[in-house]
Amino acid sequence: DAKTTQPPSMDCAEGRAANLPCNHSTISGNEYVYWYRQIHSQGPQYIIHGLKNNETNEMASLIITEDRKSSTLILPHATLRDTAVYYCIVRVALNRDDKIIFGKGTRLHILP
Amino acid sequence: DTAVSQTPKYLVTQMGNDKSIKCEQNLGHDTMYWYKQDSKKFLKIMFSYNNKELIINETVPNRFSPKSPDKAHLNLHINSLELGDSAVYFCASSPGGGGEQYFGPGTRLTVT
Repeated sequence: DAKTTQPPSMDCAEGRAANLPCNHSTISGNEYVYWYRQIHSQGPQYIIHGLKNNETNEMASLIITEDRKSSTLILPHATLRDTAVYYCIVRVALNRDDKIIFGKGTRLHILP
Repeated sequence: DTAVSQTPKYLVTQMGNDKSIKCEQNLGHDTMYWYKQDSKKFLKIMFSYNNKELIINETVPNRFSPKSPDKAHLNLHINSLELGDSAVYFCASSPGGGGEQYFGPGTRLTVT
């Protein structure tokens, strides 16, 4: 079972920031938070990951609370192409025996 | 250049047939995976290989047999296909078995 809880769907206006929440209250000290997304009919796409510090890359920002029990993925200026299912996942970073367990994710609709 | 490629993209076949799906990655990663996404869109890991060694083998019927001729290739052979095998199969790769995985475009298998 997935170790994370996400809202099933969200809407965001094009050009606005999309903030996707994720709860992971049972996260272990050595587990990272990963975000992926899956655009319709495509393979999942890695977005970003972090341990406890906030992270930013060219796609998104990841804000992790101090107690690490929740996080938020931020797409700063959402476009129609950001419409996808977004998955929040926790796992140990470099452990080949650990699995990525995909939950149901959040279906993000970007509205024109 | 495509990082993770799969062939074929679509595969339609009859029950009882044997088929193979091929996967290749040119990222230099040492770990490769097969995932299955069913009609309800749940994405689940099936197998992982690290440097040609089987690492993860989920509860998958033994009709499914992965083969890794080298660390850049991971093929999936399926014997005696059943209707329930209809799904989209994704190949992925990662460096060091980490959580940052890169997925192929998927192979949509339809068993009639």
